[in-house]
Amino acid sequence: EAGVAQSPRYKIIEKRQSVAFWCNPISGHATLYWYQQILGQGPKLLIQFQNNGVVDDSQLPKDRFSAERLKGVDSTLKIQPAKLEDSAVYLCASRFSGQVKNIQYFGAGTRLSVL
Amino acid sequence: AQKVTQAQTEISVVEKEDVTLDCVYETRDTTYYLFWYKQPPSGELVFLIRRNSFDEQNEISGRYSWNFQKSTSSFNFTITASQVVDSAVYFCALSVFSGTYKYIFGTGTRLKVLA
Repeated sequence: EAGVAQSPRYKIIEKRQSVAFWCNPISGHATLYWYQQILGQGPKLLIQFQNNGVVDDSQLPKDRFSAERLKGVDSTLKIQPAKLEDSAVYLCASRFSGQVKNIQYFGAGTRLSVL
Repeated sequence: AQKVTQAQTEISVVEKEDVTLDCVYETRDTTYYLFWYKQPPSGELVFLIRRNSFDEQNEISGRYSWNFQKSTSSFNFTITASQVVDSAVYFCALSVFSGTYKYIFGTGTRLKVLA
């Protein structure tokens, strides 16, 4: 079974530029999460989707971050414009809804450096 | 509010030594789940183990074992006979249901296994 796919793996941009990250969850997983992981910290939830609807975006900086999951499968996270403090690893995870074991599966992440 | 504390920032052991990673959690929910994830240098968080709040039975799986104690709100993880490949950052996570499953991660413990 294929895991969670993310691209690109690395991205370097200058502040005030825009950037987008892509995630394809495990097939059949209706729940998708985007996390931000700053160096030396644990992952922090940015947004959670259930199919193509947003379940929780309370920690998403909506003035610059946006995310969509139009067809309920893959998802895109965008930052516009980027700030220096956005330098982090952006992790995507998915979970099979109704799964008794309640386990999230993570992709390898996108490491963003904002200069 | 929920919280996960991993007081050990970094641990170094020599190969074949046993090592225990500590995790203390806080929640007022009676139903919750606890996880351990491993994050190797490649960046992907790999699921290791999961426990629900009603199952305090401690288990051993290969070289991994865990000790869940509700009385002290602790969920410690032990690697027996550590190997160099165990070198990674280990995260403890708490999941509670609040309309949807929310996950709270600790700050991680970096384990270095020296040959």
